[in-house]
Amino acid sequence: EVQLVESGGGLVKPGGSLRLSCAASGFTFSSYSMNWVRQAPGKGLEWVSSISSSSNYIYYAGSVKGRFTISRDNAKNSLYLQMNSLRAEDTAVYYCARPAVAGRLDVFDIWGQGTMVTVSS
Amino acid sequence: SYVLTQPPSVSVAPGKTARITCGGNNIGSKSVHWYQQKPGQAPVLVIYYDSDRPSGIPERFSGFNSGNTATLTISRVEAGDEADYYCQVWDSSSDHVVFGGGTKLTVL
Repeated sequence: EVQLVESGGGLVKPGGSLRLSCAASGFTFSSYSMNWVRQAPGKGLEWVSSISSSSNYIYYAGSVKGRFTISRDNAKNSLYLQMNSLRAEDTAVYYCARPAVAGRLDVFDIWGQGTMVTVSS
Repeated sequence: SYVLTQPPSVSVAPGKTARITCGGNNIGSKSVHWYQQKPGQAPVLVIYYDSDRPSGIPERFSGFNSGNTATLTISRVEAGDEADYYCQVWDSSSDHVVFGGGTKLTVL
């Protein structure tokens, strides 16, 4: 079964850091680009970041650029999101998502269950 | 940056047809994807590349994209279709994924 499982969420103070992980299984992780998408409470979906299969191409939303770092370890079938200088507006459920087509970035057919990040003092 | 505009809400009676629009500048030149999200759940892809349906998605779901508007159509609406729906594109000019603001579909 194709599966994505996020972990690492929690409560953190403004200005703090957190590292999210996404464990992939059931597919050839190293062939797919991967993505992080977040959803603030009661709000819509917001794309956060994308990384190509070999980490050659990395993209960030303007709201997180310079504060968040996406990375992956293909040997461990894992995706990461290092979040620094966290703000209250970063409070959200963070999903990892896999594109429907290997090598592409444009549409997501597999999503994890999400991990909640709360930034509050 | 590229902006996708959706109506905040759409209401429809059971058995009728719901149409949810997604507006964007020359969106017809892009591939549009649609997701359904029920409360407390992750999004589910229901339409991709404008009009294709993933396996397991009922034929009642269809999509069309032309000009400045993409449309998700749900025929013979059922109570179980009540959810938030999001359109999404890949904006190649910025290398960004863009989501619409979402539309809450209410089944009366």
